Amino acid sequence: GAVVSQHPSWVICKSGTSVKIECRSLDFQATTMFWYRQFPKQSLMLMATSNEGSKATYEQGVEKDKFLINHASLTLSTLTVTSAHPEDSSFYICSALTSAITDTQYFGPGTRLTVL
Amino acid sequence: QKEVEQNSGPLSVPEGAIASLNCTYSDRGSQSFFWYRQYSGKSPELIMSIYSNGDKEDGRFTAQLNKASQYVSLLIRDSQPSDSATYLCAVNNQAGTALIFGKGTTLSVSS
Repeated sequence: GAVVSQHPSWVICKSGTSVKIECRSLDFQATTMFWYRQFPKQSLMLMATSNEGSKATYEQGVEKDKFLINHASLTLSTLTVTSAHPEDSSFYICSALTSAITDTQYFGPGTRLTVL
Repeated sequence: QKEVEQNSGPLSVPEGAIASLNCTYSDRGSQSFFWYRQYSGKSPELIMSIYSNGDKEDGRFTAQLNKASQYVSLLIRDSQPSDSATYLCAVNNQAGTALIFGKGTTLSVSS
C-alpha cells in the first residue's frame, strides 16, 4: 500500500518551454501532496504544499508563477515548470500524505528534468 | 528557523558491523520523526517512523528517540553493502503539515 507514482520519470526540454509533471497516489487518497526539488549532492528542498481543492502554499523563494501546482483531485497533483531554463534542471520529487497512517509521507520515484 | 542536523559523513563500516546514524532537531514541538533511505539518483524510501521516546525495532533497524535531548538515531545491525546509501532524518513541524529534512548522512558498507 501507499504507492505514489510520477510521470514522466525523465524529461529533456528546450529552454523556454513548459513541462508538466504528474504525481498520483495509486492506492490511497492524499489530501495533501508536497513537491520537492533536489540538486546533485544536496538535500531535498520543499517547494510547495498542495492541498486538494485549494491553492498551493509555496516556500519562500519559490516563484509561484513559474512553478504552477494544481491538486485537482485526491489522487492527482501536477507541477508545471513554465518557461523552463537550464537552472531549473533538477530532480523533482512529490510526496503524498496519508492521514490514515498518522502523518507519514510517501514519495514518488521522482522526475529528472534536463533543460537544454 | 527550524533545523534538522545530521553529520554528512561519509560513515564507513565493514560488512556485518553496526552503523549508527544520528540526528538532532531544533523544534521542541515536533511529534513525528522519520528515517528515509535514498540511493543515488532515486527518491527517498521510508525506513522507519517513531513517535515516542525509546527504541523501536524493525528487522535490522532500530530507531531511538529522546525528545528531552531532541535527538533521534538509527542503528543498522549486520550492515550489508546494499545498505550503502544516504540516510535522511526528517522531523515534522509543529502543525504536522510538513517535514523538515536533514541534509543526510552517507553510509558506505564495505564487503
